[in-house]
Amino acid sequence: GESVGLHLPTLSVQEGDNSIINCAYSNSASDYFIWYKQESGKGPQFIIDIRSNMDKRQGQRVTVLLNKTVKHLSLQIAATQPGDSAVYFCAEHLTGANSKLTFGKGITLSVRP
Amino acid sequence: EAGVAQSPRYKIIEKRQSVAFWCNPISGHATLYWYQQILGQGPKLLIQFQNNGVVDDSQLPKDRFSAERLKGVDSTLKIQPAKLEDSAVYLCASSLFGGNTRLEQYFGPGTRLTVT
Repeated sequence: GESVGLHLPTLSVQEGDNSIINCAYSNSASDYFIWYKQESGKGPQFIIDIRSNMDKRQGQRVTVLLNKTVKHLSLQIAATQPGDSAVYFCAEHLTGANSKLTFGKGITLSVRP
Repeated sequence: EAGVAQSPRYKIIEKRQSVAFWCNPISGHATLYWYQQILGQGPKLLIQFQNNGVVDDSQLPKDRFSAERLKGVDSTLKIQPAKLEDSAVYLCASSLFGGNTRLEQYFGPGTRLTVT
């Protein structure tokens, strides 16, 4: 069946280090992927997206990598800051008559000072 | 640009009571979504509106949940009667487009519902 999941529930990193958050998806027909950041008491906030015809996309301090061969998505955060502490979700989108986003379980990123 | 507004922010009710949540999307956004987010999980889509029409309500428990979007702007989500397992955060999101076009969704702060 369709599923989007994250490999680890928590990730702790030292401030200034790079963070890598991984996500696996199972629907090879998904055509669009998004990473969201959710801080306590707030709704998810869009970070970066990538279409299935790309394998890499860079934003400000963030990079998303897509490996369609193994159905793997990752979010890299450079020079992690305390403000990056949050729960991160990957989501996949399948275009079609009932297109919608399917979110995976969140992973908590904790930044140590 | 104002974000997605939701109210109330918190609600505590007893099981079998009813509750309603309100959402005001970003001005001009045609598509509105209601999600249920159980603690520790990602949001799960309950219903999607395109203007005032329902696009997808396949995961809405229709025996107890209902939603409407009058005039294609504000929306309300109702639960009647509530069950313990309905305890969750209810998120509203909106996007400029929906369906097959790029669909960056903007989320509101959510309403945290506790059913006792």
